[in-house]
Amino acid sequence: GESVGLHLPTLSVQEGDNSIINCAYSNSASDYFIWYKQESGKGPQFIIDIRSNMDKRQGQRVTVLLNKTVKHLSLQIAATQPGDSAVYFCAENPMNTGNQFYFGTGTSLTVIP
Amino acid sequence: EAQVTQNPRYLITVTGKKLTVTCSQNMNHEYMSWYRQDPGLGLRQIYYSMNVEVTDKGDVPEGYKVSRKEKRNFPLILESPSPNQTSLYFCASRPGQGGGEQYFGPGTRLTVT
Repeated sequence: GESVGLHLPTLSVQEGDNSIINCAYSNSASDYFIWYKQESGKGPQFIIDIRSNMDKRQGQRVTVLLNKTVKHLSLQIAATQPGDSAVYFCAENPMNTGNQFYFGTGTSLTVIP
Repeated sequence: EAQVTQNPRYLITVTGKKLTVTCSQNMNHEYMSWYRQDPGLGLRQIYYSMNVEVTDKGDVPEGYKVSRKEKRNFPLILESPSPNQTSLYFCASRPGQGGGEQYFGPGTRLTVT
């Protein structure tokens, strides 16, 4: 099966600092990647996505970087706020699996006020 | 309000007693999917459906059935639940094969004794 991993299970940052959450994937055929945020007791919430023909995509306070050479994905959150405290997942959708999605195990982000 | 709803939210049952978890979306999405979430394993895809009467196995389909008779509904059926199916289940939907944000339901916590 697919292997989508996250480098750190937990991350603590000071309010106002930038956060970087990393993710490694194993399938070179993956062409679509998504970051999700999951707050306690809720379902995952879409943050941002990127296709394999791009290296970088920016949203509101978030940036996703894709390095296909080393199969690495990162999520950068600018000026982290207490409301950003949650578990963050990366997910991949490999072309050769049709419409299957593979999720990483998640990184728990804690923002210290 | 655009949403994915699941029922029940919590369920405790006994081994072998058939159960159904309902999922409904009001966004006219073609794609619907079921995931289970377990500690240390992240989200794993059980089944997905590209449209009415079209369903496909995900990564962990054993012990589950699904049906897609209507576009808005995608029930998950456990014909003979076992304790290893104790988990947190999420239903999700998205517009179609081309991509787009995947919306998740609030989750169903199932305990099989």
